[in-house]
Amino acid sequence: GENVEQHPSTLSVQEGDSAVIKCTYSDSASNYFPWYKQELGKGPQLIIDIRSNVGEKKDQRIAVTLNKTAKHFSLHITETQPEDSAVYFCAASKNAGGTSYGKLTFGQGTILTVHP
Amino acid sequence: DVKVTQSSRYLVKRTGEKVFLECVQDMDHENMFWYRQDPGLGLRLIYFSYDVKMKEKGDIPEGYSVSREKKERFSLILESASTNQTSMYLCASSPQVTGEKLLFGSGTQLSVL
Repeated sequence: GENVEQHPSTLSVQEGDSAVIKCTYSDSASNYFPWYKQELGKGPQLIIDIRSNVGEKKDQRIAVTLNKTAKHFSLHITETQPEDSAVYFCAASKNAGGTSYGKLTFGQGTILTVHP
Repeated sequence: DVKVTQSSRYLVKRTGEKVFLECVQDMDHENMFWYRQDPGLGLRLIYFSYDVKMKEKGDIPEGYSVSREKKERFSLILESASTNQTSMYLCASSPQVTGEKLLFGSGTQLSVL
């Protein structure tokens, strides 16, 4: 089955700096890669996702890049703010856009701390 | 405001007890999921359901069962709770059978003593 590795496990940055979290996946058939943010006491919330037919996607201060050849994808957060502090999870699945029952395989999570 | 509601935020049970974790969504989604979250392991899929009375095993179904009698409600059952089932349990729903755009509840932290 699919295996997703996420690094680093913890990341500490100063407010205003950029943060990058990286994930690798094992199944070359995976075609959907979402990122979730989990704040303390809450469930994970989808913040951005990308399909395998796209190399990069941006939404304000966050962006995701995908390298299908190397089977890795990354989350980039620019101009970090204290409210970006949270646990971030990457995930991968196949059958995106299709009709087959799919399931996400998650990475281990990254604890991001943004210091004021 | 659309949401997924889990009935308990914290739950403490004894070894051997039968435990029910309830989840309700108000978005008329066909697809619902139960995940388990453990530090350093991320989220792992226990079971999912793509229709009423339909269910599929996820990656770690052993020791668990599920019930989906109504579209909006998906229950996770621990038949005989054990200490290694102490964990955060997250319910989610999705409008797509492929599991995209998951919307999660706030989670139930279960402690089995």
